[in-house]
Amino acid sequence: NAGVTQTPKFRILKIGQSMTLQCTQDMNHNYMYWYRQDPGMGLKLIYYSVGAGITDKGEVPNGYNVSRSTTEDFPLRLELAAPSQTSVYFCASSYRAEISYNEQFFGPGTRLTVL
Amino acid sequence: GENVEQHPSTLSVQEGDSAVIKCTYSDSASNYFPWYKQELGKRPQLIIDIRSNVGEKKDQRIAVTLNKTAKHFSLHITETQPEDSAVYFCASKNYGQNFVFGPGTRLSVLP
Repeated sequence: NAGVTQTPKFRILKIGQSMTLQCTQDMNHNYMYWYRQDPGMGLKLIYYSVGAGITDKGEVPNGYNVSRSTTEDFPLRLELAAPSQTSVYFCASSYRAEISYNEQFFGPGTRLTVL
Repeated sequence: GENVEQHPSTLSVQEGDSAVIKCTYSDSASNYFPWYKQELGKRPQLIIDIRSNVGEKKDQRIAVTLNKTAKHFSLHITETQPEDSAVYFCASKNYGQNFVFGPGTRLSVLP
């Protein structure tokens, strides 16, 4: 299993540009998440999905969009990039059963700089 | 909503000493408490977790304790080694809610 994979690893955007961060997991997890981590800070939830076709906002969703057309993929779209979106973005997935939680697995991250 | 506080924000210990990091949470319904280790430039990785029906869990040099009454849980690392140097995050979760992370503790183990 490759686990959770993310592309690209690094990206520099100009203000106003758009891009899509890709995330794929091969563990058949139903839950997927997008977090951002600003320098020296913790993880803030942007969006999450409980299954294909279902997404919902997290703590900091403004400026982002997501879709979940398959169990495996959960892309994050940045529209009109702003310097405030400079951060490291982590995708994560987990399997949630009704009576227990399983470990949340993180991807390697995408380091995004907006200039 | 849930709020997780974590202390201290930085911690320096001598190699071989113990390190303790404490987190407090606000939602009494939270029932799952993982700890993640993040090395510089790497992804967070789960090192230990505890569920609300357990008071303590141990895995070699790492242990986690949970006090549900006081709503706090702690990470204990014994016999620290230089490779333990990293940022450690606690988190809490309950059914139907998402993970809420603490702000992190930067641990430095000095040789």
